[in-house]
Amino acid sequence: AQSVSQHNHHVILSEAASLELGCNYSYGGTVNLFWYVQYPGQHLQLLLKYFSGDPLVKGIKGFEAEFIKSKFSFNLRKPSVQWSDTAEYFCAVNHFTSGTYKYIFGTGTRLKVLA
Amino acid sequence: DAGVTQSPTHLIKTRGQQVTLRCSPKSGHDTVSWYQQALGQGPQFIFQYYEEEERQRGNFPDRFSGHQFPNYSSELNVNALLLGDSALYLCASSLGQQGGIGEAFFGQGTRLTVV
Repeated sequence: AQSVSQHNHHVILSEAASLELGCNYSYGGTVNLFWYVQYPGQHLQLLLKYFSGDPLVKGIKGFEAEFIKSKFSFNLRKPSVQWSDTAEYFCAVNHFTSGTYKYIFGTGTRLKVLA
Repeated sequence: DAGVTQSPTHLIKTRGQQVTLRCSPKSGHDTVSWYQQALGQGPQFIFQYYEEEERQRGNFPDRFSGHQFPNYSSELNVNALLLGDSALYLCASSLGQQGGIGEAFFGQGTRLTVV
């Protein structure tokens, strides 16, 4: 079955520390890859996306992610986190099937950044 | 440009009752997907509507049903509510046709509490 795995459920970092959140997916065909962020009390927002081309993609707020096809991975990184990055991060994939795009989400990683 | 809007924002229902949640997609989007997000979990796909038909369905019982109207708005109905149905229900809209990447835009969600 198709699935998305996020390895870290809770991460606590100090400001200025570097961040890497792992994401692996299980699907043999062509997928599009996404990271969404959910700030406390807010809706899910797109952080970045990959669908083709350069496997290193840059998103908003200094985030980037690297698609490694051979490892079925799409890890999220940020060189220096800020207190305002405290949020829950979801990795997701979608693929075109039965006439529409179907999304599968990971269980999320809750990031807390200490000021 | 209006984003995805959901109503109501909060709802309290009693076990056994029925509930209807509503969603208006982002302007220009024709596909609506519904997700259930339990506390501490990632969004779980319920179903997706395109061209007023249910195109895909996740692993949810028939108590969960939906509808899409000609203006692309959508309803999610849940019958015979159980305590376990308490969750945040998210609506996401996207463009359904192949050739895009089906990027989803999410609403704020409806927080359903079953007592």
